[in-house]
Amino acid sequence: GQQVMQIPQYQHVQEGEDFTTYCNSSTTLSNIQWYKQRPGGHPVFLIQLVKSGEVKKQKRLTFQFGEAKKNSSLHITATQTTDVGTYFCAEIIQGAQKLVFGQGTRLTINP
Amino acid sequence: DTEVTQTPKHLVMGMTNKKSLKCEQHMGHRAMYWYKQKAKKPPELMFVYSYEKLSINESVPSRFSPECPNSSLLNLHLHALQPEDSALYLCASSLMGNQPQHFGDGTRLSIL
Repeated sequence: GQQVMQIPQYQHVQEGEDFTTYCNSSTTLSNIQWYKQRPGGHPVFLIQLVKSGEVKKQKRLTFQFGEAKKNSSLHITATQTTDVGTYFCAEIIQGAQKLVFGQGTRLTINP
Repeated sequence: DTEVTQTPKHLVMGMTNKKSLKCEQHMGHRAMYWYKQKAKKPPELMFVYSYEKLSINESVPSRFSPECPNSSLLNLHLHALQPEDSALYLCASSLMGNQPQHFGDGTRLSIL
């Protein structure tokens, strides 16, 4: 069954506004990956978080892994129209080579 | 641009047809995957190959038959599919099983 719960399901923002999507798990995550899928496209790997409390930045994107390794977030500052797409968190089931995706957050932007 | 190449990009087939989806990567990755993705849903894992051996089958119906002829190629053979099998089929590869995955553009499959 689904290991990670992702919210919100949809988010519509004005260009320039910030955006955050959250992933939560009832169990401790070994690590978490984030992917972006543009409309009509395929998932593209963004980042992997492994350590408790880890924070990583990619330009306007900030990724966090909770201290208890049970939650993670992706924050985009000052969204641009190129940020449109669905953002998925995904958990690797350790030892099983299995990547289980959250339901995704679909981001749309009003220019 | 993707380093994982999938063919064909689109496929329409009848329920009695036999067809194959192909996936190729030349990154030296030793793990390869098939996913099924329905509209507005996340990718769902179907099969995992590790070092050319099937390591995970997520209880996929036998009308889907995977094959890994060598470390660069992954096929998905289709036979007697049902309309509910219409979806985007994504291939992915990774260096090892717990590493980031590189996805192909997918094959958009329609079953008539």
